[in-house]
Amino acid sequence: DTGVSQDPRHKITKRGQNVTFRCDPISEHNRLYWYRQTLGQGPEFLTYFQNEAQLEKSRLLSDRFSAERPKGSFSTLEIQRTEQGDSAMYLCASSLNVGSPLHFGNGTRLTVT
Amino acid sequence: QKEVEQNSGPLSVPEGAIASLNCTYSDRVSQSFFWYRQYSGKSPELIMSIYSNGDKEDGRFTAQLNKASQYVSLLIRDSQPSDSATYLCAVEISSGSARQLTFGSGTQLTVLP
Repeated sequence: DTGVSQDPRHKITKRGQNVTFRCDPISEHNRLYWYRQTLGQGPEFLTYFQNEAQLEKSRLLSDRFSAERPKGSFSTLEIQRTEQGDSAMYLCASSLNVGSPLHFGNGTRLTVT
Repeated sequence: QKEVEQNSGPLSVPEGAIASLNCTYSDRVSQSFFWYRQYSGKSPELIMSIYSNGDKEDGRFTAQLNKASQYVSLLIRDSQPSDSATYLCAVEISSGSARQLTFGSGTQLTVLP
């Protein structure tokens, strides 16, 4: 069990550029989640997958955000036309079942200049 | 009203004292409750999970749940300087067609040597 892995750890981009992050969950975990966290706040839910199906997406999530989990294993989160307000820590987590605790990766820190 | 509310702190306790962290939530049918610890610049790590009313103890940590009062707490006995971190309460909340883990904004704890 190598834990949840995220790549890259840090990303600096200019406003208007597209960015993509990758998450590899714990291998036997079916559920995969994306959260966003800004300074002084708790993680904010973005979306989650059960295997390859995206089951829920935050109502607050802009259409510029899209996530995929094509084979039910790793997942990608893409942000198009980045804005300065997108600067945050993007956290990926996985869990075994409904109601099971989430295990987080180390996160990707995005800075939009 | 936020779905999961915590006192933001900061909370300071002397080394060896008991630290008490509190959390209230809005969803009356929530069944899964978690406490996470987050060091500055790091991702959240699971400390405790609790699913039934009452107390659950794990080493120096005790989680307490009262579903009737929609209240969950975390006690840290014999606090150590290494316990200094932000503690996040997480509750499984109904949202749209699914239930998702919703976090409070965290309580910053400082244990003074």
